[in-house]
Amino acid sequence: AQTVTQSQPEMSVQEAETVTLSCTYDTSESNYYLFWYKQPPSRQMILVIRQEAYKQQNATENRFSVNFQKAAKSFSLKISDSQLGDTAMYFCAFMKEYGGSQGNLIFGKGTKLSVKP
Amino acid sequence: NAGVMQNPRHLVRRRGQEARLRCSPMKGHSHVYWYRQLPEEGLKFMVYLQKENIIDESGMPKERFSAEFPKEGPSILRIQQVVRGDSAAYFCASSLTGSTNSPLHFGNGTRLTVT
Repeated sequence: AQTVTQSQPEMSVQEAETVTLSCTYDTSESNYYLFWYKQPPSRQMILVIRQEAYKQQNATENRFSVNFQKAAKSFSLKISDSQLGDTAMYFCAFMKEYGGSQGNLIFGKGTKLSVKP
Repeated sequence: NAGVMQNPRHLVRRRGQEARLRCSPMKGHSHVYWYRQLPEEGLKFMVYLQKENIIDESGMPKERFSAEFPKEGPSILRIQQVVRGDSAAYFCASSLTGSTNSPLHFGNGTRLTVT
């Protein structure tokens, strides 16, 4: 069975600075996807970034980037130039692939990020 | 283009009552997923449906819980004889196809409180 571990329950960062959120996972699958989701107080789950395991290049989306270490089964999220609107719960998630079809997402317990002015 | 719509946003039920949670997927989406989020936890997969079919229900409790996605109308997650442990936020997500290139879009969730 796959597991996703986020070892930092809470983190804080000053506005405009950089913060890194950690995530490790355990799987014996070779084809899978990794995600970071953001959940602000509104409760909506918002996709931040996605990484295909077969791609060596780390995914980036504007101020968000990942450090994907497949051998170490590590998938950290770096937020640059942090903004007040980045304050939210951040969830790391894993999804294995079933011959091109997506399976279900397995989430970590989340990291609560507070951006301070 | 409306996103995934879930209603009600909040639902309060007494122990033993039934709870019905509704999810209207994004327009054109025929794949629906239900997740449950307990307090201080991440989301846990419950069930995956495609119009009129249950594709994967490996995360559904064996008793009291059922889900459907009829040809017409929203997907319904039904919880019979609710207990306090059912109190959680229930999220629905939809995707255009079931492929890995079709991202999930989540609704805002329904918070169920059982008193």
